[in-house]
Amino acid sequence: ILNVEQSPQSLHVQEGDSTNFTCSFPSSNFYALHWYRWETAKSPEALFVMTLNGDEKKKGRISATLNTKEGYSYLYIKGSQPEDSATYLCAFYNDYKLSFGAGTTVTVRA
Amino acid sequence: SQTIHQWPATLVQPVGSPLSLECTVEGTSNPNLYWYRQAAGRGLQLLFYSVGIGQISSEVPQNLSASRPQDRQFILSSKKLLLSDSGFYLCAWSVLRGVTDTQYFGPGTRLTVL
Repeated sequence: ILNVEQSPQSLHVQEGDSTNFTCSFPSSNFYALHWYRWETAKSPEALFVMTLNGDEKKKGRISATLNTKEGYSYLYIKGSQPEDSATYLCAFYNDYKLSFGAGTTVTVRA
Repeated sequence: SQTIHQWPATLVQPVGSPLSLECTVEGTSNPNLYWYRQAAGRGLQLLFYSVGIGQISSEVPQNLSASRPQDRQFILSSKKLLLSDSGFYLCAWSVLRGVTDTQYFGPGTRLTVL
């Protein structure tokens, strides 16, 4: 079982503020890291797939960085809005499968 | 476009009763199919995956089984539920199982075993 850790488990952020959180994964045999967003009462949806060390991906106000040598990825939300409230999952690709972290639940307060 | 269905949405079952959860995918052929479970406070745990009809791979020893009787149908079953089977069950599909292939998730089933 691969160890994929996400921290913090949950966070609250004021509307308009920016925030970030971490996904840690094994630094050996790296192929890809996936990020998903899971809103309440909806299905998890893919945000990013990251494969190269130093990669940075952006989708609107959400961006992610990747450090494969030290085994971590940051996800940033700039100018948080209530619709950003969700659980953000990272998943480490290995052996044709995804190993998911427990997620970071973000609550944006208006 | 492709869609994935799961039912039921919620289920309350007594310990020792059987279970059958169904997942179907529309709009694609020969998808890779997955069953995940999320227990309280934990990440998504892969239970089973299937690369084709009748081909099932189990990831963890457990009280559950899976079957794929048709190309786009994936069923999760148990003969006798345990309390520890409670959780949120997600079905997913992907075109391939490559490094960058996205998995697309269904709406999930909340199972409570009492």
